[in-house]
Amino acid sequence: GQNIDQPTEMTATEGAIVQINCTYQTSGFNGLFWYQQHAGEAPTFLSYNVLDGLEEKGRFSSFLSRSKGYSYLLLKELQMKDSASYLCAGEGAAGNKLTFGGGTRVLVKP
Amino acid sequence: KAGVTQTPRYLIKTRGQQVTLSCSPISGHRSVSWYQQTPGQGLQFLFEYFSETQRNKGNFPGRFSGRQFSNSRSEMNVSTLELGDSALYLCASSPGAGRAYGYTFGSGTRLTVV
Repeated sequence: GQNIDQPTEMTATEGAIVQINCTYQTSGFNGLFWYQQHAGEAPTFLSYNVLDGLEEKGRFSSFLSRSKGYSYLLLKELQMKDSASYLCAGEGAAGNKLTFGGGTRVLVKP
Repeated sequence: KAGVTQTPRYLIKTRGQQVTLSCSPISGHRSVSWYQQTPGQGLQFLFEYFSETQRNKGNFPGRFSGRQFSNSRSEMNVSTLELGDSALYLCASSPGAGRAYGYTFGSGTRLTVV
């Protein structure tokens, strides 16, 4: 199965860079998603990795190493509005079933 | 285009009652999946429907059930409510195979069981 682990909380300064790591057990796994969730709101899609390597989308980048069961989300030029929870989720091989990590709460300070 | 619509937004029920939650996916999306989110357990998969068929089911008791209609709208039902069922229930819509399309979540239904 998939156990997905990520840090509980991180703090960073506005304008800085933060890297959120995610590790998982690799059996029965298709790809890896990252979602952002502000308090009281729906999770919103940030990125999806199915192949090894780095995917860049503006200030956000996501990396995947399938052999190591490792992913990270990189947030650059942090803004106050980036304060949120970031959820790492693996998609099962059968598809359309996401297994989520516990989420990493990022606090951006001025 | 309209997003994923979940109704109601908030609900308070008493232990032992049952509840039905509704989810209307993005127009054209045929897959609807349901998740329970609690502070202690995070987001956990309940089940997924595609073209009115349940394709995947998570590890929840039989009190949790769902269905999907021909217009892709989905409902989930929880019978004999327990205090531990208090949670945010989210549904996610995708065209078919989620993958690079991502799954679009609704704003959720916050259920409180008293």
